[in-house]
Amino acid sequence: AQSVTQPDIHITVSEGASLELRCNYSYGATPYLFWYVQSPGQGLQLLLKYFSGDTLVQGIKGFEAEFKRSQSSFNLRKPSVHWSDAAEYFCAVGARGGADGLTFGKGTHLIIQP
Amino acid sequence: NAGVMQNPRHLVRRRGQEARLRCSPMKGHSHVYWYRQLPEEGLKFMVYLQKENIIDESGMPKERFSAEFPKEGPSILRIQQVVRGDSAAYFCASSITGQGPNEKLFFGSGTQLSVL
Repeated sequence: AQSVTQPDIHITVSEGASLELRCNYSYGATPYLFWYVQSPGQGLQLLLKYFSGDTLVQGIKGFEAEFKRSQSSFNLRKPSVHWSDAAEYFCAVGARGGADGLTFGKGTHLIIQP
Repeated sequence: NAGVMQNPRHLVRRRGQEARLRCSPMKGHSHVYWYRQLPEEGLKFMVYLQKENIIDESGMPKERFSAEFPKEGPSILRIQQVVRGDSAAYFCASSITGQGPNEKLFFGSGTQLSVL
């Protein structure tokens, strides 16, 4: 069965500092991997996704993620965070790329300090 | 072009009552998905529907829960005889094609269900 682990429940970062959110997955075949962001009172927004090809994926809002098969990881990074990045971030893994096969992690709450 | 619309935003029910959650997909989208987010957890898939058809309901509890997406009108997630454990945020998402790696989902803002 597929599963996603986001080991950090909360992360606090100073504005302007770099960010890395961890995601580890368990899946039998090549996974489809996603990062979503949920701002307070809003629905999920897709930041980026990986299906194949280049293991470094660029997303919206300056985010990127790197797929490392040997480590079963898909960590999300941003070189310099902004106060507006404060939100809940979810990593997800899917079997077929469609919504019906997605498994989500429990999320990481990002807090931005001024 | 309005996004995925869910209503109500907040719904309070007493144990034993029925809860109806509505989702209007984006214009032109004929695929709808329902997810449930329990406190401190990520989203869990519940059901995937196309117009007038349930495609995948593997994530739906076997009892008390049902979903529909009629030819006209919004998709409805119905929970009968609610219990406290049903308290959660319910998210709806829609898409155009429904499958494939290039599929893009658009999510609503969710309905927060509180059962007293």
